[in-house]
Amino acid sequence: QQPVQSPQAVILREGEDAVINCSSSKALYSVHWYRQKHGEAPVFLMILLKGGEQKGHEKISASFNEKKQQSSLYLTASQLSYSGTYFCGTEKSWGKFQFGAGTQVVVTP
Amino acid sequence: DTEVTQTPKHLVMGMTNKKSLKCEQHMGHRAMYWYKQKAKKPPELMFVYSYEKLSINESVPSRFSPECPNSSLLNLHLHALQPEDSALYLCASSPTGGLDEAFFGQGTRLTVV
Repeated sequence: QQPVQSPQAVILREGEDAVINCSSSKALYSVHWYRQKHGEAPVFLMILLKGGEQKGHEKISASFNEKKQQSSLYLTASQLSYSGTYFCGTEKSWGKFQFGAGTQVVVTP
Repeated sequence: DTEVTQTPKHLVMGMTNKKSLKCEQHMGHRAMYWYKQKAKKPPELMFVYSYEKLSINESVPSRFSPECPNSSLLNLHLHALQPEDSALYLCASSPTGGLDEAFFGQGTRLTVV
């Protein structure tokens, strides 16, 4: 079952913060986050493993809440370069990777 | 070299044509993937190769035929496609599969006429 992302889209001004959520009805062992800019390939941001580990990539960080089967991606002090579509991904089983529908982020000057 | 290279970048083919998409990586990765992406949708997994063996086929129609000639190359052979198969086809690789970072190629934009 596809992970559920929210919101579908968010518009930010430079310097503002945003949170993107990714949830699953099934037990999660890991959550992967990717960003895809228009016309480009998805780019890996981070993997979070079961255990509630929080990771960071520049001013983008994420957390993983096992109890809620949810991961959140935090965009802090957003920059223009953060614009793109953010996908979370989960593994149904080994190698069977499934992306959420995506969250479109637009950062304006 | 952290690139996954896909060729061609664009392809237009008729429904009776046979064509192939090519993907190459030189990072020593042992897992390689084909994804299909429609406009404004997430990538959908099609095939996974692990150590040059097909390990996952996500119920993809037989008009798509993957091939992994060696650990650096991945092909997708196309035959008798339908217009609804038009999409961006993305290749990716990762060190071993599973809990790995995947590196994506820029994709082949396929149009079936």
